[in-house]
Amino acid sequence: NAGVMQNPRHLVRRRGQEARLRCSPMKGHSHVYWYRQLPEEGLKFMVYLQKENIIDESGMPKERFSAEFPKEGPSILRIQQVVRGDSAAYFCASSPPGADTQYFGPGTRLTVL
Amino acid sequence: GENVGLHLPTLSVQEGDNSIINCAYSNSASDYFIWYKQESGKGPQFIIDIRSNMDKRQGQRVTVLLNKTVKHLSLQIAATQPGDSAVYFCAENHDYKLSFGAGTTVTVRA
Repeated sequence: NAGVMQNPRHLVRRRGQEARLRCSPMKGHSHVYWYRQLPEEGLKFMVYLQKENIIDESGMPKERFSAEFPKEGPSILRIQQVVRGDSAAYFCASSPPGADTQYFGPGTRLTVL
Repeated sequence: GENVGLHLPTLSVQEGDNSIINCAYSNSASDYFIWYKQESGKGPQFIIDIRSNMDKRQGQRVTVLLNKTVKHLSLQIAATQPGDSAVYFCAENHDYKLSFGAGTTVTVRA
């Protein structure tokens, strides 16, 4: 069984550009979560989505960040006008309906020059 | 991250010995706890979980202990192997959001 897929694995952007991070959950999982990890730190919750719905975005910065999980296709985390402070590893996790356990993807490492 | 923390940032252990990694939490409303292992450049890998109605759970070479009285969680790894070298995070699940501590880096000496 394929696990959670994320792409790209590495992404380099210049300040002011846009970054798009993709996440395909495990088969049968309809719940997606995004987390951000700064160097030497634990993961921080950003947003929780179900198909076509944002359930909780309390961890998302108020500006420049958005997330979606369309009916078809992967979940997308979009960062507009990136700044150096956005450099981090972004992890996606998924879980099936009614389950607590979240399974993580390999992450996307974003570097802003 | 504010509610979950680990006692020690690093742990060095001899190959074959047992490892114990500790974690303290402060949110008494949390009812589900998970240990993850993260190797360099990879995503967190699920190791074992425990619910608040239990105080002990065993897996393959790993045991998680939960002490709700003092809000303490521990992960025991039996017969530690070189492949166990990684950063270990405890996480608490409250309202589907995971809160992670900063992690303990485990280094296995040959």
